[in-house]
Amino acid sequence: ELKVEQNPLFLSMQEGKNYTIYCNYSTTSDRLYWYRQDPGKSLESLFVLLSNGAVKQEGRLMASLDTKARLSTLHITAAVHDLSATYFCAGSSGTYKYIFGTGTRLKVLA
Amino acid sequence: EAQVTQNPRYLITVTGKKLTVTCSQNMNHEYMSWYRQDPGLGLRQIYYSMNVEVTDKGDVPEGYKVSRKEKRNFPLILESPSPNQTSLYFCASRSTGGTDTQYFGPGTRLTVL
Repeated sequence: ELKVEQNPLFLSMQEGKNYTIYCNYSTTSDRLYWYRQDPGKSLESLFVLLSNGAVKQEGRLMASLDTKARLSTLHITAAVHDLSATYFCAGSSGTYKYIFGTGTRLKVLA
Repeated sequence: EAQVTQNPRYLITVTGKKLTVTCSQNMNHEYMSWYRQDPGLGLRQIYYSMNVEVTDKGDVPEGYKVSRKEKRNFPLILESPSPNQTSLYFCASRSTGGTDTQYFGPGTRLTVL
């Protein structure tokens, strides 16, 4: 049974700093996803990682996938306040079933 | 505008009173899904549907029913709500081909007294 674990759960960081959110999963996951949720809002898809070694970047966010280590990372470069949100990773068991991590609440301080 | 809509957005009800939360998408997506979000637990999948008349259980289906009679609609039914179903519910849809990106609705905050 697929389980997805994120850490840290909370992250407070200074503007301009770099940091990484980690997402470990327990068994084979067909794909790995990253989502963003702003307070009181819905989820927005950030990245879909399809295969080992996949790397995707959008602005200050970069996601990567290592299927051998069962690890995905979301790297934040030179954080800005607008990146404050909760970030979720999710794996898929088969094509239709999704398992989410508990989320990382990121707060970027000026 | 491509979107997933949910109604109602907020609902307070009492134990045992049947309710339906509607979900509709205008993107002609085959796949639709329901999730609940609870503090410290992330999102958990309740039910999903691969296409019309095809549904299956997610991780937490107990106490919920769904139906998919039309491609655009995927209502979530709570026949006898209980307080432990108080939660934030999200509907999502995606195409079964292409980028595999899920599009989420705005959420329905349900309180069961």
